[in-house]
Amino acid sequence: GDSVTQMEGPVTLSEEAFLTINCTYTATGYPSLFWYVQYPGEGLQLLLKATKADDKGSNKGFEATYRKETTSFHLEKGSVQVSDSAVYFCALSDRDDKIIFGKGTRLHILP
Amino acid sequence: NAGVTQTPKFQVLKTGQSMTLQCAQDMNHNSMYWYRQDPGMGLRLIYYSASEGTTDKGEVPNGYNVSRLNKREFSLRLESAAPSQTSVYFCASSDFSGVGSYEQYFGPGTRLTVT
Repeated sequence: GDSVTQMEGPVTLSEEAFLTINCTYTATGYPSLFWYVQYPGEGLQLLLKATKADDKGSNKGFEATYRKETTSFHLEKGSVQVSDSAVYFCALSDRDDKIIFGKGTRLHILP
Repeated sequence: NAGVTQTPKFQVLKTGQSMTLQCAQDMNHNSMYWYRQDPGMGLRLIYYSASEGTTDKGEVPNGYNVSRLNKREFSLRLESAAPSQTSVYFCASSDFSGVGSYEQYFGPGTRLTVT
């Protein structure tokens, strides 16, 4: 069945460092791909999405490119801030209205 | 526009007690979901409802029941709570975004402890 695998955390970086969180997927069809973010004590919020191969989703300085050849959707940010500390979930939606989530990656940014 | 709301925010139950978690959305979405979130496990789908009057089991339905009361409301019931049901519960809703995908919108969560 469909699945999402993302790098385990926690990931700890200094402020202004470059961020990459790896995500790969397995799907039988042509899924839509998402990154959700969960700030402490809150629910998940959609951060960005891409609906077809080679699409780039972007929001709040974060980017991810839908790579069909490598079945990947890695999250990147050029210069992280303390306020980016959160848990990040990679997810996919394939053919229907259910979303499959990865296990999440906790990110700590040190001032 | 409140989005997805959940009540209560926190709850402590004794083993064997029952309770209902309430969820409502004001976005006129057709689909609604209940997830549980446990450390290291990500989000696991308990039940979902594709439309008013329909419900289906997700990955971890045992020990839970749901009711899709109307298009806005989707409740989750624990008939006899067990310590293994200690978790954070999230409700979500979604609809087709019109650009080839469904986007889910989440409530703030209910932190449930069963002692």
